[in-house]
Amino acid sequence: IVMTQSPGTLSVSPGESATLSCRASESVGYTVAWYQQKPGQAPRLLIHGASTRATGIPARFSGSGAATEFTLTISSLQSEDFAVYYCQQYNHWPPVFGGGTKVEIK
Amino acid sequence: EVQLLESGGDLVQPGGSLRLSCSASGFSFNSHAMSWVRQTPGKRLEWVSLIGAASSVTLYADSVRGRFTVSRDDSKNTLYLQMDSLRAEDTAVYYCAKWDGVSTSWYLYDHWGQGTHVTVSS
Repeated sequence: IVMTQSPGTLSVSPGESATLSCRASESVGYTVAWYQQKPGQAPRLLIHGASTRATGIPARFSGSGAATEFTLTISSLQSEDFAVYYCQQYNHWPPVFGGGTKVEIK
Repeated sequence: EVQLLESGGDLVQPGGSLRLSCSASGFSFNSHAMSWVRQTPGKRLEWVSLIGAASSVTLYADSVRGRFTVSRDDSKNTLYLQMDSLRAEDTAVYYCAKWDGVSTSWYLYDHWGQGTHVTVSS
């Protein structure tokens, strides 16, 4: 399975929303997770089951989708949200990550 | 608080060996599957290996099978990755990652370590 993320880079102004896409090469049901990674840090789990926020994740992060099309939406971007975001399918072996979307300040 | 601390990364020549360690705390280590995931210099994340609770199962990516060996010592709350016959393409930051403990898939990770750098170069 190949996970393809788009766009590669997203330029957004603080306070605006960002929509990130992830496409699976074949159906993965709802078994998609989203991770956030800041420079020099480890990935942090944001979303699992395509739409369930992980513990402690703010409500401005939301996930949706099923089968092959998935979306991560960040509403009202805060300064701490500028980072790289990865999707991952975790139901099929081997687990596969997308190439990442960098959300940068416009 | 869950903590994962990797160590053992270094500069090594092609064909050489290295052993990575991941010291875990803040959760029941012996009941959790654990994985190694690496991040290439191009920032791509690649799953490397998984070991089940009580070493019930070990799985490897095709790119490392036969060269890497994952193990765990539950008495020390420590995960290991023995890396042999290293190649330039193994150069990466290696993270240990903890299964979330709830998902039916062992590949969902709710905590990651800070990573350890492995560079394979002559």
